[in-house]
Amino acid sequence: DAKTTQPPSMDCAEGRAANLPCNHSTISGNEYVYWYRQIHSQGPQYIIHGLKNNETNEMASLIITEDRKSSTLILPHATLRDTAVYYCIVRVGSSQFYFGTGTSLTVIP
Amino acid sequence: NAGVTQTPKFRVLKTGQSMTLLCAQDMNHEYMYWYRQDPGMGLRLIHYSVGEGTTAKGEVPDGYNVSRLKKQNFLLGLESAAPSQTSVYFCASRTIGAFHTFGSGTRLTVV
Repeated sequence: DAKTTQPPSMDCAEGRAANLPCNHSTISGNEYVYWYRQIHSQGPQYIIHGLKNNETNEMASLIITEDRKSSTLILPHATLRDTAVYYCIVRVGSSQFYFGTGTSLTVIP
Repeated sequence: NAGVTQTPKFRVLKTGQSMTLLCAQDMNHEYMYWYRQDPGMGLRLIHYSVGEGTTAKGEVPDGYNVSRLKKQNFLLGLESAAPSQTSVYFCASRTIGAFHTFGSGTRLTVV
């Protein structure tokens, strides 16, 4: 039963890199790790996902450890608009996903 | 292309009343989901569907029913609303192997 563990909150200075960790020690070998963020009470927004290799897109980078038991989402130059709750999720069962409580990131001016 | 649309956006119900929340997606996605989010908590899965005519229970299905008569629509019903069902409800859809696309949510208060 793959689940995730994230720190409840983090702060980051504006312009600096924000590194958000996630533990998913029970993830199976063929499951992706997905990252979403939720700003205020809006619907969660997809950021990035990965399987084994590191991934990068226009929003963020994703670093996955070689044993796949943990990952880190990197926002390279955090802005005030990046203040949000960030969720690391994995699939549980055939079609369900576990969201957990996420990390509340506050970007400080 | 509207993505995922939820109606209504807000609703206040009295205990014992019934209502239906509608989720519509125009992306031809196979999978659709209903989640609820309570203050300080993450999203918890209520029910989901892997295709037209199918439904399945999630983590917290009690007190809710769902139907997916058309591929683009996923309805969430509350037969007899209770204060414990006060929450924000999110619908999402996805295609096979892809990520969720979420709606903007329905804020439901049961008094």
